[in-house]
This record gives sequence, structure tokens and C-alpha cells, in this order.
Amino acid sequence: EIVMTQSPATLSVSPGERATLSCRASQSVSNNLAWYQQKPGQAPRLLIYGASTRATDIPATFSGSGSGTEFTLTISSLQSEDFAVYYCQQYIKWPSFGQGTKLEIK
Amino acid sequence: EVQLVESGGGLVQPGRSLRLSCAASGFTFDDYAMHWVRQAPGKGLEWVSGITWNSGSIGYADSVKGRFTISRDNAKNSLYLQMSSLRVEDTALYYCAKDHPSGALGNWGQGTLVTVFS
Repeated sequence: EIVMTQSPATLSVSPGERATLSCRASQSVSNNLAWYQQKPGQAPRLLIYGASTRATDIPATFSGSGSGTEFTLTISSLQSEDFAVYYCQQYIKWPSFGQGTKLEIK
Repeated sequence: EVQLVESGGGLVQPGRSLRLSCAASGFTFDDYAMHWVRQAPGKGLEWVSGITWNSGSIGYADSVKGRFTISRDNAKNSLYLQMSSLRVEDTALYYCAKDHPSGALGNWGQGTLVTVFS
């Protein structure tokens, strides 16, 4: 089983600033890495796949980077609607998720 | 538009069984692998099980292996999860999810709630 570890657990950022979320895999997943956003009471939404490709209708303020075992999701110029929980997930094998990073308003 | 509608959740006692269903529409169902993902109250996402387009490959999380069985009926555009020997720790919102062409989970239903209580 590939274990995904996200950091930090909670990130406090002011609107308009940049947020950087990290995800580490216990073994290489190449670029088979996705990021999801989940808001309260909603299903998760795919943001990024292939480590760096934005999904349909995802704004350019979201960007992903990394390969192998280290990945980053960057959200530039945070808007109020961006405050949510973010999960990374590998899919080189049957999927596994990180524990999530809660992005909250500072 | 892709739609995934889960059903079959409810209240059940430990040791009992429950069968979840996911009705799919808006895409060619038998072109895609499908998955079940769950989320316990206030917790993160946990992948439960997945099945390829032709049921040729099936996977389970260790936490449900031997107790849960995934299946699909491509003629009915439906995905199923047969859950047996249910435990209190199986309490969660169960999502049905469709593979994205990349292998990520591209579309999700709204979930069906399973509560196992003693």
C-alpha cells in the first residue's frame, strides 16, 4: 500500500495571499498524482491530475507540481471560495488518499 | 452531463449486511473503471474498492477485504457494493466515483450514508 502524507494539517492564510500545500508518497508514484477540493456538505472535486494538469473549469490560480514522491499544490491569490479541505491521491496503483489539509481564513 | 446517484444506505446493526447501488448516466458506463470511496463523519477520504470496465480487475482496501464485494452491471449502467459483517467503524458516507481518463477520480456522486450502530 502506498501511504500519502499531507502537510500541514491546517494552513491559515489571508485572502489574496498564496497557499502552498505539500503531499509526500511513501514510494514513487511518478506523476500519477491528483488533488481534490472538498467544501462542507459537498462531494470532492477533481482539481489537478497528472501532478500538474488542471481539470476542466479549474482556474489558473490553482497549480500543481512535483513528481516521484514529493508534490505541491499552490493556490495563488486566495479567494473566499478557495477555503476548503484539500486531498492528494495517488493512482499508480489502486488509489490512496492523504489525510487532507484544511485551508482556513487567517 | 455525468450523473452518479448512490442509494441503499441506512441504519444497520453490527454483523448485518447492506447493498449499495450507484446509477450512472451521461457517459458510456462500460468505458470506465468505477470506485467506492467513503468518508467517516468528520474524517478524510478512504478509497474502499475499485473495478475495471469489464470487471477483469478488482481491488479492495485492507479494511474491507473479505467483507465487501464490488460488482457492476454494464447493461444497467450500475455499480454495486455488497457489504457484509458490517462494523461500527464502517459508518461513513459512501461515494461512487468515475475514473477520469488519466486514472484520477473525475466525477463523484453525492453519497449515501451508512450508519452501523450497536
